[in-house]
Amino acid sequence: QVTLKESGPVLVKPTETLTLTCTVSGFSLSNARMGVSWIRQPPGKALEWLAHIFSNDEKSYSTSLKSRLTISKDTSKSQVVLTMTNMDPVDTATYYCARMCGSYGEVWFDPWGQGTLVTVSS
Amino acid sequence: SYELTQPPSVSVSPGQTARITCSADALPKQYAYWYQQKPGQAPVLVIYKDSERPSGIPERFSGSSSGTTVTLTISGVQAEDEADYYCQSADSSGTSVVFGGGTKLTVL
Repeated sequence: QVTLKESGPVLVKPTETLTLTCTVSGFSLSNARMGVSWIRQPPGKALEWLAHIFSNDEKSYSTSLKSRLTISKDTSKSQVVLTMTNMDPVDTATYYCARMCGSYGEVWFDPWGQGTLVTVSS
Repeated sequence: SYELTQPPSVSVSPGQTARITCSADALPKQYAYWYQQKPGQAPVLVIYKDSERPSGIPERFSGSSSGTTVTLTISGVQAEDEADYYCQSADSSGTSVVFGGGTKLTVL
């Protein structure tokens, strides 16, 4: 059974850096045609893709957030880490990680983690 | 920036057919994917590559594509299908992943 679980702070202050960890089980981060993506959802709003990392370590970022995001993976620990710098209250959202299937340009997400709500406030 | 356009809401009575559309210029070249999200839960993939159904998803869920529009069809809608539905695709270069704004399906 494939599962993903997000972990990280529930509250961060404006201008701080957010670090989130996704721990996966049931598949390897070295599996071909798979990877992990981060997606967020502000309260009451739509989903927004942030970044993903493939098994070959190829990375892709949201154009609008690229300057603030870094994604990396530790295959031995089955973990993917996302950092987002200079946090702002508008970044308050539930952050999901999801297994990414497919290949470059044709990817989909299945399954998703339960999500973790991150609030940005002083 | 590239956008996928969905209607904000769709309402149907139980047993009827619900159709949720998603439109964008690059859809003739890129596959679309559909997710169901119930309140307080993570999204669940219900359709991939325009019309493929993952294992475990009921047969009443189907997908189709025509030109710049893709459609999620739910036949014989049940009360448990009430949820938000999101389409997802990529821009024409395949570089960026994009989600639609979501459609709230109400079962009357």
